[in-house]
Amino acid sequence: DAGVTQSPTHLIKTRGQQVTLRCSPKSGHDTVSWYQQALGQGPQFIFQYYEEEERQRGNFPDRFSGHQFPNYSSELNVNALLLGDSALYLCASSLIHGASSPLHFGNGTRLTVT
Amino acid sequence: AQKVTQAQTEISVVEKEDVTLDCVYETRDTTYYLFWYKQPPSGELVFLIRRNSFDEQNEISGRYSWNFQKSTSSFNFTITASQVVDSAVYFCALSEPLTQGGSEKLVFGKGTKLTVNP
Repeated sequence: DAGVTQSPTHLIKTRGQQVTLRCSPKSGHDTVSWYQQALGQGPQFIFQYYEEEERQRGNFPDRFSGHQFPNYSSELNVNALLLGDSALYLCASSLIHGASSPLHFGNGTRLTVT
Repeated sequence: AQKVTQAQTEISVVEKEDVTLDCVYETRDTTYYLFWYKQPPSGELVFLIRRNSFDEQNEISGRYSWNFQKSTSSFNFTITASQVVDSAVYFCALSEPLTQGGSEKLVFGKGTKLTVNP
């Protein structure tokens, strides 16, 4: 049973560039959430996708955008990169239910902006 | 707004010692979930436990135990007879329902780095 997979593992970009991160959810899951984890901090919610729509966004600028595909996989795009965007980006998947479904996290993509 | 406080930034113990990681939370919701995740150096967040706000029974799983006290808004995590493999960053998290449907989002504390020395 494949868990959440993210690619790439590491990425180095220059300020002003754009980046795309990818995530495949755990088998059977239909919801994908993205979190940003700065060094020494806890993860912070960026947004969540379900049924190919953004359900809610955290306190992140419009430079952060996403997409969910019919097979439930997802992309996170960040435009006009800033040094402060350097972080570990975590994807989490879950199953929509009335009650809480535990999030399953991937290993993350470590983005370094120089 | 939801908030999770993990006051212990770093803890260092010697193998076989017991260690308790503290977590205090703030929420106005009457129904919520609390979580603990473990993050080893590889980066993946490993789910340890989820506790419903209506269930205040303590839980034990092997060497791990959790003490949920709604009266003090605390959800502490104890590792008994710690091992070197327990070394990791541990995060406490609180669920916050999404306003537009979907699964809830998690609000994380800043984490406690646990080092277990041989």
